[in-house]
Amino acid sequence: EVQLVESGGGLVQPGGSLRLSCAASGFTFTTYSMNWVRQAPGKGLEWVSYISRSSSTKYYADSVKGRFTISRDNAKNSLYLQMNSLRDEDTAVYYCARDFNSGYEFDYWGQGTLVTVSS
Amino acid sequence: QSALTQPPSASGSPGQSVTISCTGTSNDVGGYNYVSWYQQHPGKAPKFMIYEVSKRPSGVPDRFSGSKSGNTASLTVSGLQAEDEADYYCSSYAGSNNFELVFGGGTKLTVL
Repeated sequence: EVQLVESGGGLVQPGGSLRLSCAASGFTFTTYSMNWVRQAPGKGLEWVSYISRSSSTKYYADSVKGRFTISRDNAKNSLYLQMNSLRDEDTAVYYCARDFNSGYEFDYWGQGTLVTVSS
Repeated sequence: QSALTQPPSASGSPGQSVTISCTGTSNDVGGYNYVSWYQQHPGKAPKFMIYEVSKRPSGVPDRFSGSKSGNTASLTVSGLQAEDEADYYCSSYAGSNNFELVFGGGTKLTVL
């Protein structure tokens, strides 16, 4: 059974940093690209970042470019999101999501971890 | 404001059919056949329902179907069931110059 379990969320002040983790199991992690998608409270979904299987290719939404860094450790079956210079508008549930095939769809999602940016 | 436009709500009675629209531009929905749909129940993670406009992943009932005309994609749910009540989000590839994925604002489907 495919499982994605996020952790690392919490309350952080504006301008602060946080590192999210996603532990993957039930599939061969090295053969899938991965993504982070977020959802602000009561709002819709927003794609945040993509990383290829070998980490050679990374993409970011304009809203987080230069502040967030995606990475992965294939030996540990883990995905990460380093978030710096956090803003109020970064408050959201952050989901890790597995790429289905082409990089444009997500077939499995974790349950999410809540990040709250507030003073 | 979301990149793709969805109606905030839709409804239908059990057994009926309902269609949810997702309107974009020629730079996203109209330009690529990479439209997908997700179902999200309250407090739960999204579930993958449709990919590449009209294809169903394994395990998704054939009551769910997708289509596209021009810049507008649609999700149709036939034979509505109580468990279909959820939020539905469309998504499209939108990266001509750089990689970008965009979502709609979501549609709350109510089964009356």
